[in-house]
Amino acid sequence: GAVVSQHPSWVICKSGTSVKIECRSLDFQATTMFWYRQFPKQSLMLMATSNEGSKATYEQGVEKDKFLINHASLTLSTLTVTSAHPEDSSFYICSARDGGNVETQYFGPGTRLLVL
Amino acid sequence: AQTVTQSQPEMSVQEAETVTLSCTYDTSENNYYLFWYKQPPSRQMILVIRQEAYKQQNATENRFSVNFQKAAKSFSLKISDSQLGDTAMYFCAFMTLYGNKLVFGAGTILRVKS
Repeated sequence: GAVVSQHPSWVICKSGTSVKIECRSLDFQATTMFWYRQFPKQSLMLMATSNEGSKATYEQGVEKDKFLINHASLTLSTLTVTSAHPEDSSFYICSARDGGNVETQYFGPGTRLLVL
Repeated sequence: AQTVTQSQPEMSVQEAETVTLSCTYDTSENNYYLFWYKQPPSRQMILVIRQEAYKQQNATENRFSVNFQKAAKSFSLKISDSQLGDTAMYFCAFMTLYGNKLVFGAGTILRVKS
């Protein structure tokens, strides 16, 4: 149980285009999902907290117009990187909190984004 | 604000031996959760072990155990009988009792050698 999927796992795009990453909780309902960014050999940096049916809460320094988050259902959150630039290249990870087990976050496998 | 410190950037251990990864944290809260997550080369984050601060007993999960010292704000992870598959980056993390966010340490890269 407690499986979180991400799609795509790997994406290459041209500078200036937008990229959408999906995060799904497969066997539980997630009222809260989280989006992280990770650079090689570094820790996870929380970008935003996504709550079902409401606006996401962004961490300080994260541009909400750049990283659009939508949490339209209890099993799906999406992160859209708008007008991507090479500096947006990174590993993006989502996690979901099980409503019945709120202290534990389950992580997706991550999405590697390369902007050319 | 809470902080989590992992002072060992890299460690190595021989297969079948025991290794301990260090973690200290800073908080003014009395009740909270502590976690160890493992991130292997696949980069999938895997929960290794969880400790509730209000429980005095140290958590164990098979070969993984913690030494939770609340007064010292220390939360070390012991891996017994190390296996090659334990090679990964290990993150210590903190969350307040009614909180939302995980606060991660910088991570420790563990290499298990055959």
